[in-house]
Amino acid sequence: NAGVTQTPKFRVLKTGQSMTLLCAQDMNHEYMYWYRQDPGMGLRLIHYSVGEGTTAKGEVPDGYNVSRLKKQNFLLGLESAAPSQTSVYFCASRTARGTDSANTEAFFGQGTRLTVV
Amino acid sequence: KQEVTQIPAALSVPEGENLVLNCSFTDSAIYNLQWFRQDPGKGLTSLLLIQSSQREQTSGRLNASLDKSSGRSTLYIAASQPGDSATYLCAVTGANSKLTFGKGITLSVRP
Repeated sequence: NAGVTQTPKFRVLKTGQSMTLLCAQDMNHEYMYWYRQDPGMGLRLIHYSVGEGTTAKGEVPDGYNVSRLKKQNFLLGLESAAPSQTSVYFCASRTARGTDSANTEAFFGQGTRLTVV
Repeated sequence: KQEVTQIPAALSVPEGENLVLNCSFTDSAIYNLQWFRQDPGKGLTSLLLIQSSQREQTSGRLNASLDKSSGRSTLYIAASQPGDSATYLCAVTGANSKLTFGKGITLSVRP
């Protein structure tokens, strides 16, 4: 029972390089989220998706793009990495049971530690 | 815009003490509130989920309450242990499906 899996777990990039972070969930969840966590800033929402083929901006979307081509995968892309994007990135997913989202627990991956030099 | 506040940012207590962690939110139109635990360098582990129609949830030594109208939730930890040392985060799910977090409370339980 894998839950939410993030790939890779660690990465070092040079400024200007690009990369894609993969989030995969095996719980058939509709909603998926990407967050970044920085000291003193808490978890901030980058982008999220309420279903396959849909994405929406969160609190800090600039410099990132996302895609949700398959329901189980949510990709976060950095086209031209900057040192300000050094952070720990977390992916989360949860189900939506019809129109009642009250009882939908969010599950998190173990995080990706990204350093941009 | 939903804002979630957790005060204080850090707390240190002696082992065995009962303690309360507070969480407040500005928009009461929420679906649920979730408490998480995060150990250093690790991911988030869900502790308790309270639906908007519920007042409280219990799991072992943990009890979480929700007062949606006043925008407050508390996490009660009974008989604290050194193993409870971690950062505790609360998060609310809003009508727009966004999950908004507080900055967390770092708890240290001294033996």
